[in-house]
Amino acid sequence: DAEITQSPRHKITETGRQVTLACHQTWNHNNMFWYRQDLGHGLRLIHYSYGVQDTNKGEVSDGYSVSRSNTEDLPLTLESAASSQTSVYFCASSEHGYEQYFGPGTRLTVT
Amino acid sequence: QQQVKQSPQSLIVQKGGISIINCAYENTAFDYFPWYQQFPGKGPALLIAIRPDVSEKKEGRFTISFNKSAKQFSLHIMDSQPGDSATYFCAASKSLSGTALIFGKGTTLSVSS
Repeated sequence: DAEITQSPRHKITETGRQVTLACHQTWNHNNMFWYRQDLGHGLRLIHYSYGVQDTNKGEVSDGYSVSRSNTEDLPLTLESAASSQTSVYFCASSEHGYEQYFGPGTRLTVT
Repeated sequence: QQQVKQSPQSLIVQKGGISIINCAYENTAFDYFPWYQQFPGKGPALLIAIRPDVSEKKEGRFTISFNKSAKQFSLHIMDSQPGDSATYFCAASKSLSGTALIFGKGTTLSVSS
């Protein structure tokens, strides 16, 4: 069955380290998204991509980057992790802007 | 500026009662309004969605009511069950251009038995 996976599911890192969160989908969707979820803020868009080599900034993109070298993957990189980036991160994919399918999430703690 | 405002933040409903969650939006270019349901430890999942050319959409116990002139839409859960206890997010997007969803802040629903 087609699916969307995220790894790792849990990550603890230190301030200043570079961290990469993986997202992989097998639906062959062109659109992929990264969100962060924090209490009181709901889901906020970090970056998104509409296809290979396409990336766009979302509402809270500072300190994050993405690259899209193939259809299946959209890794999210925290260049220099900060405590404010402690959050739960969700990846999602969709086709033509319709239903977005979310991954199970990655809980990141920056100490 | 928050583009999608959701209320209430939390809601407690008796089993069998009606749960109502409201959302308001500002951007008149939005043309796709989904509701997502999220259980603890899981990613959000699409529950039901509506486009502004209809005023109501019903799927089982879940109904979206849409008021284009007021720029408001709401989710009604009839005969609420303990299994409906979850966090609900409204969202909006300009679907034809493929833009990402703008989410409300969420409503935590607890259905007591």
